[in-house]
Amino acid sequence: KQEVTQIPAALSVPEGENLVLNCSFTDSAIYNLQWFRQDPGKGLTSLLLIQSSQREQTSGRLNASLDKSSGRSTLYIAASQPGDSATYLCAVTGLGNTGKLIFGQGTTLQVKP
Amino acid sequence: DADVTQTPRNRITKTGKRIMLECSQTKGHDRMYWYRQDPGLGLRLIYYSFDVKDINKGEISDGYSVSRQAQAKFSLSLESAIPNQTALYFCATSPRGGGGTEAFFGQGTRLTVV
Repeated sequence: KQEVTQIPAALSVPEGENLVLNCSFTDSAIYNLQWFRQDPGKGLTSLLLIQSSQREQTSGRLNASLDKSSGRSTLYIAASQPGDSATYLCAVTGLGNTGKLIFGQGTTLQVKP
Repeated sequence: DADVTQTPRNRITKTGKRIMLECSQTKGHDRMYWYRQDPGLGLRLIYYSFDVKDINKGEISDGYSVSRQAQAKFSLSLESAIPNQTALYFCATSPRGGGGTEAFFGQGTRLTVV
């Protein structure tokens, strides 16, 4: 059974710092991995989608990497800002063409001014 | 307007009551999903549907039922609500095309069962 783990559960950093969020999964047979952002009282916003054949994806200050063989992904946030404060979730889609997502528990990030 | 809309956004109901959560989408996607989120547990899949005639159970379907009224509408029902169904519920959609497609989520429905 696929399990997804995110460490740390919470992180607090000063504004301007570069940071890395970690995601690990137990079964390397995945279609893709997706990083989401969740703000309090709001839904999930997709940040980056990495296909299993890809090594990384970039969007603005965000860079996500995928090492399928070791079951790991990282989300790198450059020059963090207070507006980056949110919960970040990673999720994998297993093989089988169902699109079902298996989520980690999330990392809650606070960026202090 | 949001591409994936959930109603209601918040609901408080009593134990034993029947309640329906609704989801509609304007993205034209075939696939729709219902997840629930509990503190410390992440999101877990309740039901999913690939079209109007294709409904599938997810990881935690007991106590829930669903209806796909149209391609754009997917509702989740709690036949007899119980307190441990208190959670944040999310509807999601994705296009057909294999597992490599992006998922889009609604704003969520916060359900409290007292």
